[in-house]
Amino acid sequence: EVQLVESGGGLVKPGGSLRLSCAASGFTFSSYNMNWVRQAPGKGLECVSSITSSSTFKHYADSVKGRFTISRDNAKNSLYLQMNSLGDEDTAIYYCARNSDYTKPLDYWGQGTLVTVSS
Amino acid sequence: QSALTQPASVSGSPGQSITISCTGTSSDVGGYDYVSWYQQHPGKAPKLMIYDVSDRPSGVSNRFSGSKSGNTASLTISGLQAEDEADYFCSSYTSSSILYVFGTGTKVTVL
Repeated sequence: EVQLVESGGGLVKPGGSLRLSCAASGFTFSSYNMNWVRQAPGKGLECVSSITSSSTFKHYADSVKGRFTISRDNAKNSLYLQMNSLGDEDTAIYYCARNSDYTKPLDYWGQGTLVTVSS
Repeated sequence: QSALTQPASVSGSPGQSITISCTGTSSDVGGYDYVSWYQQHPGKAPKLMIYDVSDRPSGVSNRFSGSKSGNTASLTISGLQAEDEADYFCSSYTSSSILYVFGTGTKVTVL
């Protein structure tokens, strides 16, 4: 069974940092692109970052470029998102999701981890 | 990248059919057959319901169907059931960004 389990969310002050993790199981992690998608309270979905299967290419939404860094460790079946210089606008549930390539859908999602940026 | 446009809400009675639209541009919805639809119940993660415009993943009810005309994709739910009450988001590959662009979301209410 495919499972994606996010962790690392919490309350952080504006300007602070947080590192999210996503533990994958039930599939060959190293064969899939991985994505971070966030959802602000009561709002829609925004794909903030993606990384190819072997970490060759990394992409970021303009809203997080220069502040967030995506990475993965295929030996540990894990995906990460380092978030720096956090602002109120980053408050959201962060989901990790997989797809087999850029044109394929996000077919499995984790349950999400809540990041709250507040003083 | 700009979000795809969906109606904020759609409602229907049990047994009826409803259709949710998703309007983009020739750079996304209109240019590629890579439109997906996701269902999200409150407090839950999104679930893939339709991909590549009209294909259903294994396990998804055939009451859900997708189509596309020009820059607008559509999700139709036939034989509406109480369990279909949820938020629905469309998504599309876009030539203007590697990252998927999502729709604004539609709340489906079963009357």
